[in-house]
Amino acid sequence: DIQMTQSPSLLSASVGDRVTINCKASQNINKYLNWYQQKLGEAPKLLIYNTNNLQTGIPSRFSGSGSGTDYTLTISSLQPEDFGTYFCFQHNSWPYTFGAGTKLELK
Amino acid sequence: QIQLVQSGPELKKPGESLKISCKASGYTFTDYAMQWVKQAPGKGLQYMGWINTQTGKPTYADDFKERFVFSLETSASTAYLQINNLKNEDTATYFCARDTDWGQGVMVTVSS
Repeated sequence: DIQMTQSPSLLSASVGDRVTINCKASQNINKYLNWYQQKLGEAPKLLIYNTNNLQTGIPSRFSGSGSGTDYTLTISSLQPEDFGTYFCFQHNSWPYTFGAGTKLELK
Repeated sequence: QIQLVQSGPELKKPGESLKISCKASGYTFTDYAMQWVKQAPGKGLQYMGWINTQTGKPTYADDFKERFVFSLETSASTAYLQINNLKNEDTATYFCARDTDWGQGVMVTVSS
């Protein structure tokens, strides 16, 4: 199984900050990497699909990059509504797997 | 708009069974596979598997091959997750998900 290692697990940041969250796969996942945001008590929301494609309705301050085994989610200027937990997800190889999550909290 | 509406919370005893529903609307049900994801309290997301909505063929991740059953009622645009012989560790929220949209989740509590 492909292991997805997310870092950091906890990120404290302020409104307006630029933040990056990383996800490292245990083997090449050919850019089949999605990013989700989850707020407490809610379902995850798809932000980015296949590494760098912004889902409809998601603000352009979110972007994704990467290739091979290393992927990054960037929020260019953090907004109050961006706090929550972020998960990466690989759908290149079965079984599909999620990262453990990055909790983004207000500093 | 696309909606996945799941059934309500469940409280069950160990050894019992349950069946969760996920009703889709706003798109052609058979155009997209349906996925299932488990989230234990305070934990991350665990991919359970998916069901081909055209053929009804399910595919399970290893941890979900024994007591878990994905099924469909295509005429009602509804997918189901059945869990048999419930265990305490099945306590979790279960989400159905299309490629882009998720149901609201069903909280399942297993306790004697």
